[in-house]
Amino acid sequence: EVQMVQSGGGLVQPGGSLRLSCAGSGFTFTSSWMSWVRQAPGKGLEWVANIKQDGSEKFYVDSVKGRFTVSRDNAKNSLYLQMNSLRAEDTAVYYCIASIIGVFDSWGQGTLVTVSS
Amino acid sequence: EIVMTQSPATLSVSPGERATLSCRASQSVSINLAWYQQKPGQAPRLLIYGASTRATGIPARFSGSGSGTDFTLTISSLQSEDFAVYYCQQYNNWPYTFGQGTKLEIK
Repeated sequence: EVQMVQSGGGLVQPGGSLRLSCAGSGFTFTSSWMSWVRQAPGKGLEWVANIKQDGSEKFYVDSVKGRFTVSRDNAKNSLYLQMNSLRAEDTAVYYCIASIIGVFDSWGQGTLVTVSS
Repeated sequence: EIVMTQSPATLSVSPGERATLSCRASQSVSINLAWYQQKPGQAPRLLIYGASTRATGIPARFSGSGSGTDFTLTISSLQSEDFAVYYCQQYNNWPYTFGQGTKLEIK
């Protein structure tokens, strides 16, 4: 069974930092693009970042460029999102996603990030 | 950036009836279109990809159609568990973009 188990998240002050983690199992992690998608409270879905199988390519939505960094550790089947200079508008549930068949096919349970003083 | 527009925003349908949800892209995305279902408090679930291919485990009452800029998700006979929010997403061009969602509610 494919599983994506997320950790991290929580309450952070504006300007602060947070690191999200996601551990994958039940599939070949090294063969999958991995992504982060977020959902602000009561809002729709927004793609945030993704990373190629070997980590050689990374893409970000404009609003997080220069502040967020996506990375992966294939030896640990893990995906990370380092979030710096956080803003109130970054408040959202963040989902990690494995693209096993090429789309956003396997989602983690989500983790809430709240940016507030 | 490709803008995805879903209609209607809310659709009220009775159980057992057919529901038809629409998604339009601001430019052609070929058949690189996916549909997701999201229930309250849960992560989205992939239903359809390639515009018309059902994901693993998705019941046959869900079907997708379309290509280019206009797409449709049809649920042939609504079950109680189908009432949720549905999102379309294009994956033809970066950034991959989602529609704003259609809430399917019980009439």
